[in-house]
This record gives sequence, C-alpha cells and structure tokens, in this order.
Amino acid sequence: GAVVSQHPSRVICKSGTSVKIECRSLDFQATTMFWYRQFPKKSLMLMATSNEGSKATYEQGVEKDKFLINHASLTLSTLTVTSAHPEDSSFYICSARRDKDYEQYFGPGTRLTVT
Amino acid sequence: GQSLEQPSEVTAVEGAIVQINCTYQTSGFYGLSWYQQHDGGAPTFLSYNALDGLEETGRFSSFLSRSDSYGYLLLQELQMKDSASYFCAVSVVTGGGNKLTFGTGTQLKVEL
Repeated sequence: GAVVSQHPSRVICKSGTSVKIECRSLDFQATTMFWYRQFPKKSLMLMATSNEGSKATYEQGVEKDKFLINHASLTLSTLTVTSAHPEDSSFYICSARRDKDYEQYFGPGTRLTVT
Repeated sequence: GQSLEQPSEVTAVEGAIVQINCTYQTSGFYGLSWYQQHDGGAPTFLSYNALDGLEETGRFSSFLSRSDSYGYLLLQELQMKDSASYFCAVSVVTGGGNKLTFGTGTQLKVEL
C-alpha cells in the first residue's frame, strides 16, 4: 500500500506556456500533500504544503502566483507552473501523507524542461 | 529556519560498513528520517527516529541523539545497488502539521 503516482513523468514545454503536473495517492487518502523541487545533484526543497479543501501554504521565496497548487480531493493534488521559463526546468516531486502519519510517500517525480 | 549538514560524498567497498552522519539545527524538532534516492528516481523511505537510540531495519540502522542534534545512518554488508544519494530529513512541527526539511545529501559510491 501507500503508492503515489505522478503524471506526466517527463514534459518539455516552450517558454511562456503553462504546465500542469498531477499527483495521486492510489491506495490511500492523503489529507496532506507536499510539492518539492530538486535541481541536479542537489537536495529536495519544499515548495508548498497543501491540505485537501484549503489553500496551499507556500515556503518562503516560492511565488504562489507562478506555482499554482490545487488539492481538490483526498487523492489528487495538482501543481501548475504558469508562464514557464527555462529557469523553471527542474525535477518536481510530490509526496502524500495520511492523517497524523509521520511518513511521507513520494511520487516518482516529473522532469520539466522549458525550452 | 532549519539547517542540516551531511558529507557530500562517501566511497566504500562491497561488503563493508559505512556510516553517514547528519547534524542539524532546527526548532520544533519532531524526528529524523533517512531517504535513499537513485539517479532520476524518487526518494524512498529507509528509517525514522523520534527518540534517542538505534533503530535497526535489516542491513540499515539509524541512530539519533537529540541532545547532540546528531544522527547517522549505518549501512552494513554494502552491495553495489546501495550506490545512491542518501538524505537525512528533519520532521518539524508547524501550525499545519509536520513537514520535512532535507539535508544536503550524501552520494555513496560502492566499489568492488
């Protein structure tokens, strides 16, 4: 149990367009989902925390208008990178947590390349 | 804020034992986790310590000393497939629950 999927696994888009990444918990209900960003050979940086049915909490320095997060149900959260630029190219990873669990279950990640 | 320090790189031979240290500075500390990540893959959970002491899970063990703000991951009987990045992560209590802050990561290379 505790499987998290992400779609797409890879996406290439042109500068100025928007890209939506989906994160789904397949066999459990996730009251909280997290979005991370990782540059090559670097650590995971938490971007935002989203709770089902409420607004996401963004980490300092993360533009909420650029990285739109929606957690519409207990099994789905989406991250939309708006007006993408080459510097947004990165590995985006989501994780999901059951209510009151300490463990986060990570998705396989989405590699975004903006040309 | 939080900060976590790990060695950037460790090299060991197959069959050996290796220890990856992690020191942290944080407020609202709840626990210390360890994750493994192969190139291009997602982090996978290895171990978690909320209390002082040693937790053993097969070939992997993790230790925590809350008074020293220090922990380590011990990998025994190293195998080539253990070559990966290893991250420590602190769980911090916030108004919205727990969140993880990851360390800088340690690249482990296992050689023949």
